[in-house]
Amino acid sequence: DAGITQSPRYKITETGRQVTLMCHQTWSHSYMFWYRQDLGHGLRLIYYSAAADITDKGEVPDGYVVSRSKTENFPLTLESATRSQTSVYFCASGTGVQETQYFGPGTRLLVL
Amino acid sequence: KNQVEQSPQSLIILEGKNCTLQCNYTVSPFSNLRWYKQDTGRGPVSLTIMTFSENTKSNGRYTATLDADTKQSSLHITASQLSDSASYICVVKRYGGSQGNLIFGKGTKLSVKP
Repeated sequence: DAGITQSPRYKITETGRQVTLMCHQTWSHSYMFWYRQDLGHGLRLIYYSAAADITDKGEVPDGYVVSRSKTENFPLTLESATRSQTSVYFCASGTGVQETQYFGPGTRLLVL
Repeated sequence: KNQVEQSPQSLIILEGKNCTLQCNYTVSPFSNLRWYKQDTGRGPVSLTIMTFSENTKSNGRYTATLDADTKQSSLHITASQLSDSASYICVVKRYGGSQGNLIFGKGTKLSVKP
């Protein structure tokens, strides 16, 4: 009964490094999402995917890359990490347009 | 501009008391409104989701109301428990928007004290 998992849970990296955050869900939900959460802001959508091989930009996509070769996985890559990307990242999944989104436990990323 | 404003920013109540959290939105056209509970260090968990035609929806001790005319929603917590200490996030979806078109409030941080 894993549901939706994220790894790593905590990550420290340096400016300029490439970092990949993993997200895996066992429900076969068609939709998956990446959000970031920062103090003073609500959750902000980075990218989302409606199905395997279909991805689209959200509110704050710059500096991030996603892929979705399999329904259950939706990795988020920071190609060249910047300090402004220090944040808590949440992955979520859902079944359709009107349905609830189910969130993972989050990844805390610190970029030095 | 599509916005979701929540009040208060933070709230402290004693265990066993009731409280009400507010959400005002300017999102148009409206599709649905969701309340999430987020425990410290964890991801948000859905409490309720309401469409245009729904005025009230309950989930245990949580009752959400929606007035689509005034674009206001409230979340009422009855007989609070220590485990209710969390941030409560109001989220509004625009009608016809993609699944990604959700507007999140900044949340209300609730602390329940013994």
